[in-house]
Amino acid sequence: EVQLLESGGGLIQPGGSLRLSCAGSGFTFSNNAMSWVRQAPGKGLEWVSGISGRGGTTYYADSVKGRFTISRDNSKSTLYLQMNSLRAEDTAVYYCARASCVGTSTCYTGGSWFDPWGQGTLVTVSS
Amino acid sequence: DIQMTQSPSSLSASVGDRVTITCRASQGISSYLAWYQQKPGKVPKLLVYAASTLQSGVPSRFSGSGSGTDFTLTITSLQPEDIATYYCQKYDSDPLTFGQGTKVEIK
Repeated sequence: EVQLLESGGGLIQPGGSLRLSCAGSGFTFSNNAMSWVRQAPGKGLEWVSGISGRGGTTYYADSVKGRFTISRDNSKSTLYLQMNSLRAEDTAVYYCARASCVGTSTCYTGGSWFDPWGQGTLVTVSS
Repeated sequence: DIQMTQSPSSLSASVGDRVTITCRASQGISSYLAWYQQKPGKVPKLLVYAASTLQSGVPSRFSGSGSGTDFTLTITSLQPEDIATYYCQKYDSDPLTFGQGTKVEIK
């Protein structure tokens, strides 16, 4: 069974930093691009960042570009999101999601939908 | 960047009703469109990919259609367990934008 498990969320003051982790299991981690998606309280889904299977290509939403860094360690089947200069508007549940596709063993960020999603980790930015 | 616009933002329908949700892309995205269901307090779940392919295990009362800029998600006979917010998402290329969501309630 494919599983994703996020960790690292918590309460952080504005301007602070936090690193989220997402451990994958049940699939060949390096074959799939991965993404982070967030959901502010009572709001919709917002794609935050994506990374290719080997980690060589990264993508960011304009709202986090220059502040967040996505990375992965395929030897540990783990995805990361380093979040710096945090703002109140970054408060959200952060989900990791696997890029899924058909017809090929390698799924890229473009051309792949999200399945499955992790259970999410809550990040609260407040003083 | 391509914008994704869903309509309506919310709807209320009776059990057994046919429900249609629309998603419009500001530019053509071929069939690179997915639909997700998020029940209250739960994780989003994939319903449809490639605009019209039903994910394994999803009830057949759900269907997706469209290509280019206009897409629809249809529930042919609304059930109580379908109460959720539904999101479309484009996945042709970065940024992988979601629609704002459609909240479905029972009348």
